[in-house]
Amino acid sequence: ELKVEQNPLFLSMQEGKNYTIYCNYSTTSDRLYWYRQDPGKSLESLFVLLSNGAVKQEGRLMASLDTKARLSTLHITAAVHDLSATYFCAVGDSNYQLIWGAGTKLIIKP
Amino acid sequence: EAGVAQSPRYKIIEKRQSVAFWCNPISGHATLYWYQQILGQGPKLLIQFQNNGVVDDSQLPKDRFSAERLKGVDSTLKIQPAKLEDSAVYLCASSLNSFASAIYEQYFGPGTRLTVT
Repeated sequence: ELKVEQNPLFLSMQEGKNYTIYCNYSTTSDRLYWYRQDPGKSLESLFVLLSNGAVKQEGRLMASLDTKARLSTLHITAAVHDLSATYFCAVGDSNYQLIWGAGTKLIIKP
Repeated sequence: EAGVAQSPRYKIIEKRQSVAFWCNPISGHATLYWYQQILGQGPKLLIQFQNNGVVDDSQLPKDRFSAERLKGVDSTLKIQPAKLEDSAVYLCASSLNSFASAIYEQYFGPGTRLTVT
């Protein structure tokens, strides 16, 4: 059974700092997704990672995938308040379903 | 392109009442998913359709929940009778699921926030 673990589950940080969210998964998959959810809003796709060593960047966010280690990271550079949200990673399984992590609630203080 | 549409956005009902949610996926997306998201948790898949057929409904509480996608486009999810623990956001997502794209990315609608009192 495919399981996905995210850590930390909660992160409070100051603006301008760097931090990383980790996503570990238990069995082989070739598709890893990162989503953002603002309070009371739906899920917004951030990144789709499809191969070992894949790296994608959008603004202050950078996601990477290591399929051998079954690990993806979401790195935040010089955080700003607007990045406060809950971030989910999800892993694609063979039935075209997503197995979700529990989410990381990120609070960025001015 | 237009995104995934859902209605209503909010619904408040009393326990034992019934409720229905509607979803219209992105045009051309063959796969449609209904999720339940309880506050503070990740989405939980309820049912997955491929065109008008059910692929997986193993986590759908079939004694009270039902869903259909009759023409392979829009879909409805119904709860009858509702319980207090059904209070959650119900999210609809769709995916192209083309072997050519190999991305299988899911696009989410705005969700319906259900409160059962």
